[in-house]
Amino acid sequence: EAGVAQSPRYKIIEKRQSVAFWCNPISGHATLYWYQQILGQGPKLLIQFQNNGVVDDSQLPKDRFSAERLKGVDSTLKIQPAKLEDSAVYLCASSLDRGGLNEQFFGPGTRLTVL
Amino acid sequence: AQTVTQSQPEMSVQEAETVTLSCTYDTSESNYYLFWYKQPPSRQMILVIRQEAYKQQNATENRFSVNFQKAAKSFSLKISDSQLGDTAMYFCAFMKLKNFGNEKLTFGTGTRLTIIP
Repeated sequence: EAGVAQSPRYKIIEKRQSVAFWCNPISGHATLYWYQQILGQGPKLLIQFQNNGVVDDSQLPKDRFSAERLKGVDSTLKIQPAKLEDSAVYLCASSLDRGGLNEQFFGPGTRLTVL
Repeated sequence: AQTVTQSQPEMSVQEAETVTLSCTYDTSESNYYLFWYKQPPSRQMILVIRQEAYKQQNATENRFSVNFQKAAKSFSLKISDSQLGDTAMYFCAFMKLKNFGNEKLTFGTGTRLTIIP
């Protein structure tokens, strides 16, 4: 079974530029998460989708971050314009949607450096 | 809101020895899960072990075991017979239990574990 795929693995941009990250979850996983992991910290949820609907985006800086999950499969996270403090690893995870505990499976992440 | 605290930023131990990583958490929830994740330099977050809060018995997975103290809100990870491949960042995480659907993970700040040959 293929895991969660993310691209690109690395991205370097100048501040005020825009950037987009892509995530393809495990086939059949209805729930998709984007986490931001700043160096020296644990991952923090940015946004959670169930199918193509948003469940939780309370920690998403909506003035510069946006995310979409068209057709309830792939997802794209965009930052525009980027700030220095956006330098981080962006992790995508997915899980099944059923009663009880659903394990979250993580992708390899995208390391973003904003100069 | 839930908080997870890992008070040991770094630890190191000789290969084959036993090491214990500490984690405390704060929540008003009564039903939840606790997890330990491993993140090697490849950045892939890997689930090591999980514990259901309603279970009194401590979870065990091969060389990995936990000491879950619900009243004290403590959840430590013990790694026995440590191996070089155990070198990684270890994150403690909390998840609220829902009857349907999924909840986010709340992570601690991590402990960098180094196994010395």
